Amino acid sequence: AQTVTQSQPEMSVQEAETVTLSCTYDTSESDYYLFWYKQPPSRQMILVIRQEAYKQQNATENRFSVNFQKAAKSFSLKISDSQLGDAAMYFCAYRGYYGGSQGNLIFGKGTKLSVKP
Amino acid sequence: KAGVTQTPRYLIKTRGQQVTLSCSPISGHRSVSWYQQTPGQGLQFLFEYFSETQRNKGNFPGRFSGRQFSNSRSEMNVSTLELGDSALYLCASSLRGGASGDEQFFGPGTRLTVL
Repeated sequence: AQTVTQSQPEMSVQEAETVTLSCTYDTSESDYYLFWYKQPPSRQMILVIRQEAYKQQNATENRFSVNFQKAAKSFSLKISDSQLGDAAMYFCAYRGYYGGSQGNLIFGKGTKLSVKP
Repeated sequence: KAGVTQTPRYLIKTRGQQVTLSCSPISGHRSVSWYQQTPGQGLQFLFEYFSETQRNKGNFPGRFSGRQFSNSRSEMNVSTLELGDSALYLCASSLRGGASGDEQFFGPGTRLTVL
């Protein structure tokens, strides 16, 4: 079974600084998707960034970028120029192409990010 | 486009009762997935529906069930409620779901409290 591990329950960053959230996963599949979701205190979960495993190039979305290391099964999220609005729970998630994980997201436990003004 | 909506937003029930939660996906989306979020277990997948058929199911007891209607709206039902069922129940919709890689859009959730 696939698992996702986020080893940092809480992180803190100064406004305008850069922070990196860690995520590792375990799978025997070769094709899959990886995601970072953000859940602000209002509870609406929104997608931050996604990566297809077959793509070697790391995904970027404005201030958000990932460091995808397939062999190491690592998928970290870098937030540059942190803003107060970035404060939220961040979840790393996996979705497989095949088998039991097809169609559903497997989430890590989350990292609570605080942004200090 | 309107986002994913869930009703009710808050619900209080007592042990042994049953409850039905509703989810209306984004127009045009045919896949609806349900997740349970608790402080202890985190986010766990319940089931996915596509074109009125359950396509995938998580590791939850049979007390948890769902269905999807022809307009893609979905309901989930929990019978014989237990204290441990207290959670935030999230619904997510996507165009095709499954292995398509389509983005899942989440609703605001239904906060269920079981007393």
